[in-house]
Amino acid sequence: EAGVTQFPSHSVIEKGQTVTLRCDPISGHDNLYWYRRVMGKEIKFLLHFVKESKQDESGMPNNRFLAERTGGTYSTLKVQPAELEDSGVYFCASSHGQGATQYFGPGTRLTVT
Amino acid sequence: AQTVTQSQPEMSVQEAETVTLSCTYDTSESNYYLFWYKQPPSRQMILVIRQEAYKQQNATENRFSVNFQKAAKSFSLKISDSQLGDTAMYFCAFIPLNTGNQFYFGTGTSLTVIP
Repeated sequence: EAGVTQFPSHSVIEKGQTVTLRCDPISGHDNLYWYRRVMGKEIKFLLHFVKESKQDESGMPNNRFLAERTGGTYSTLKVQPAELEDSGVYFCASSHGQGATQYFGPGTRLTVT
Repeated sequence: AQTVTQSQPEMSVQEAETVTLSCTYDTSESNYYLFWYKQPPSRQMILVIRQEAYKQQNATENRFSVNFQKAAKSFSLKISDSQLGDTAMYFCAFIPLNTGNQFYFGTGTSLTVIP
């Protein structure tokens, strides 16, 4: 069974540019989550999808971040325009049910210069 | 507030020895799960062990075991017979079951196993 995959593994962009991160969850997992870890700090929740619907987006930092999950399959997280403080590692996770173990992807390291 | 504290940013252990990673958490919830995840260098974060808060018995998974003290809100991870492959960043986390589905993580402990 394939795990959670994320693309790209690393992205370096300049302040003001746009970046789109992609996450492919484990097949059959309706629940998809985005998290972010800023260097040296804890991993923080961004949002949670159930199928194509946003269940909880309370962790999204501001309106420069837009997450979508078209058709309830893969998800994208777009940052536009990127700021320096957006740098960090963005993790995606998926689970079969709510409250179940979440399986994490390898993360996308975003560097904004 | 829901928080997780890992007070040891870095630790090291000799191969074959035992090491304990500490974790404390704060929540007003009574129903939650606790987890330890590990992320080896440049690799995916994987589940190490999981504990249901309603269970008194400490979870074990081969060389990994936890000491769960619910009243003290403590959830430490013990690694026995440490191996080089245990070198990783370890994250403690919990998920409250009644108020949402997000994980709350600590800042991580970087463990190095020395040959």
